Amino acid sequence: GAVVSQHPSWVICKSGTSVKIECRSLDFQATTMFWYRQFPKQSLMLMATSNEGSKATYEQGVEKDKFLINHASLTLSTLTVTSAHPEDSSFYICSATVGREIEEQYFGPGTRLTVT
Amino acid sequence: GQNIDQPTEMTATEGAIVQINCTYQTSGFNGLFWYQQHAGEAPTFLSYNVLDGLEEKGRFSSFLSRSKGYSYLLLKELQMKDSASYLCAAMDSNYQLIWGAGTKLIIKP
Repeated sequence: GAVVSQHPSWVICKSGTSVKIECRSLDFQATTMFWYRQFPKQSLMLMATSNEGSKATYEQGVEKDKFLINHASLTLSTLTVTSAHPEDSSFYICSATVGREIEEQYFGPGTRLTVT
Repeated sequence: GQNIDQPTEMTATEGAIVQINCTYQTSGFNGLFWYQQHAGEAPTFLSYNVLDGLEEKGRFSSFLSRSKGYSYLLLKELQMKDSASYLCAAMDSNYQLIWGAGTKLIIKP
């Protein structure tokens, strides 16, 4: 149980274009989803926390107009990187929780984005 | 400020035991998580401690001392597949996870 999927697993796009990444909880309803970015040899950096039906809460320094998050249902959240630049190239990982305050996060397999 | 410290890299021998330490400073505390992350993959949950003491789960054990702001992950009977990064994360009073930078564990035959 508690499987989270991400699509696509990797994507290459040109600078200036937009890329959408999907995060789905396959066998549970995720009231909260998290989006992380991880650069090589670094730890996870939380970008935003997303609750179903409400606006995402962005961490300090993360541009909400550039990284659009939509949590339209209890099983789906999307992250859209708008006007991508090479410095946006990174490993994007989503995670989900059922909604209890203290619980492990279930991580998706990640999406590797390369912007050329 | 909130901070997590863990060693950047450790090396151990197959079949041996290794202990990965983690110290934390958070605004409030609601527990300490350990995750394993293989290169290019997402983290997977290993353990959660909120009370002082040792929690054993097969070859992996995790220890917590709340008074010292200290935890360790103990890996026994090391296997080559244990080569990975191990992430320590503390949950603060707002139930937010504060992540360490991870410890890269290299297992040698």
